[in-house]
Amino acid sequence: GDSVTQMEGPVTLSEEAFLTINCTYTATGYPSLFWYVQYPGEGLQLLLKATKADDKGSNKGFEATYRKETTSFHLEKGSVQVSDSAVYFCALRGPRSGNTGKLIFGQGTTLQVKP
Amino acid sequence: DADVTQTPRNRITKTGKRIMLECSQTKGHDRMYWYRQDPGLGLRLIYYSFDVKDINKGEISDGYSVSRQAQAKFSLSLESAIPNQTALYFCATSDGPRNTEAFFGQGTRLTVV
Repeated sequence: GDSVTQMEGPVTLSEEAFLTINCTYTATGYPSLFWYVQYPGEGLQLLLKATKADDKGSNKGFEATYRKETTSFHLEKGSVQVSDSAVYFCALRGPRSGNTGKLIFGQGTTLQVKP
Repeated sequence: DADVTQTPRNRITKTGKRIMLECSQTKGHDRMYWYRQDPGLGLRLIYYSFDVKDINKGEISDGYSVSRQAQAKFSLSLESAIPNQTALYFCATSDGPRNTEAFFGQGTRLTVV
């Protein structure tokens, strides 16, 4: 079945460092790909998405490119801030989900940014 | 006010007790979902609903039941809680299948002792 694999955390960075969180997926056909962020004590919020190969999603300085050839959707940010400390989830919604709209999530990666 | 509201936010219950988690939304979406979050496992789908008369099981529905009382309300019940149901539970809504955003509540932290 469809699945998502994220790099294990926690990831600890200093402020202004470059961030990469790896995400790879397994799915038939062409899924839609998402990054969600969960700040402490809050629910998940959509950070960015890409719906077809080679699309780049971007928001709040974060970017991710849908790479069909490597089945990847890595999250990047050029200069992280303390306020970016959160748990980041990669997710897909695949053709097999049909009309359900259900999401398949990776295990989540905790990011800690130190001043 | 939040678009997706879950109550309670935190709950401690004893093994064998029945408990209900409630979710209401003001988004006007037809689709509603219940997910469970466990450390290292991400979120897994418990149940989902397209409307009041359309309820479907997700990957981990055993031990849970749901009720869609109205378009805006979707409740999750644990008929007889057990300790391995200790988790963070999220309700979510969306208005379309493939490319649309899902909106999540703030979560209910449930502890079964």
